[in-house]
Parts: sequence; C-alpha cells; structure tokens
Amino acid sequence: DVKVTQSSRYLVKRTGEKVFLECVQDMDHENMFWYRQDPGLGLRLIYFSYDVKMKEKGDIPEGYSVSREKKERFSLILESASTNQTSMYLCASSLSSGGRQPQHFGDGTRLSIL
Amino acid sequence: GNSVTQMEGPVTLSEEAFLTINCTYTATGYPSLFWYVQYPGEGLQLLLKATKADDKGSNKGFEATYRKETTSFHLEKGSVQVSDSAVYFCALTLIQTGANNLFFGTGTRLTVIP
Repeated sequence: DVKVTQSSRYLVKRTGEKVFLECVQDMDHENMFWYRQDPGLGLRLIYFSYDVKMKEKGDIPEGYSVSREKKERFSLILESASTNQTSMYLCASSLSSGGRQPQHFGDGTRLSIL
Repeated sequence: GNSVTQMEGPVTLSEEAFLTINCTYTATGYPSLFWYVQYPGEGLQLLLKATKADDKGSNKGFEATYRKETTSFHLEKGSVQVSDSAVYFCALTLIQTGANNLFFGTGTRLTVIP
C-alpha cells in the first residue's frame, strides 16, 4: 500500500513564525501536492510538483512556498504565518500517467496560528 | 473551466437506508472521476474511480457510474452502516501530461444513526 506520511498531526505556531510542514511518500511517485481544507470550501490546491526541484502554483499559493529536493519529500513553507492560515493541510502523491491514477493522501496536519 | 458540484449536506440516514449523493461535473477535456472518503480525524482515502464513460466504479458496497451524457457520477449504496459516517468528496482529473491535478467538490457529510 502507498504510504504518505505527514510529520505532524497537530501543530500550534505563532503569528510571524516560519513554519515547515513535511510530507514523505514511499512509492516513488513523481507527483506530489499540498492542499488546505477549510469548512465549506472543500480542498484547495496550494502547490504541486511533478518532479524533483520542479514546482507549480495551485489555486491559492499566496503566503506559501514549497521545496522538493528529493523525490520522496515535499515540504510546505509558511514564510510568515498569519491567523488566516489556520487550517487542515493535506499532502498527496500520485504516479504520473496522464491523469488516470488517483492521488494518495496523508492523514493531514491541523495547523493553528495564534 | 473544470469543476465539480456535489449535493449539499449534511445527510442523515438511519442504518440500512439507501444512500445517493449526487455529483455533476464540467470539464474542458475527457476526465477521470473519483469518489474519496474522509473519516473523522483522517486524510482522504480513495473509495472508487471510473476512467471512461459507462464505467462503474465499486468498493465496500458503494457504486458510481460515469455518465457522460448527463455529466454525472452519483454515489450510491444500498444499505448504509454506522461505520459509513464520513465526508464524501467527488473529484475529477483530466487526462493530460504533467501532474494530474484533482478538482474537488466541497464534500458531503454523511451521518448514519443506529
């Protein structure tokens, strides 16, 4: 089975801090994704990556950056955390095969910015 | 553009009742369709998928048929259990090169009461 592991289930940080969310997958997937999930808004794509050192903006990239130095690891960075970034963050990965493959998700990180 | 519309929740059913959660989509290309389920406190899990018109995806007693003529992918289960209580997301991805971005509906919360 595919395993997508997010480093923290719960995280509390302060406004203005630099925050790192880590995600690791063990199935050699080319694609990795970061979403945030908010009540009534569903899942929104922040950034994705289709290869090492490659990244693309999703729908809501403002206030975030990402890093993919190794194929199995995709990090989401909040450069200067703000209270409106309090949310559930979900990481996902998938094979690159023209769209027929599903994405596999981690258990999520519930981030609170105080 | 590409989007998914699913029925508003929450949905509350008695155990053994019949479940339908409606999902319709718009897509600029030829999509693959998915249903994901999110149990409390967890990430999203793939429930079922269909990659071409008239395909029926099925898993754990749930079914959905890819209807190109009505652009729909409704989720059904003949007899729900308390353990089916979760949030259900309909999603599509397009067959294309590069990362297979998912477009999600906003989710439908299902509660099954004994």
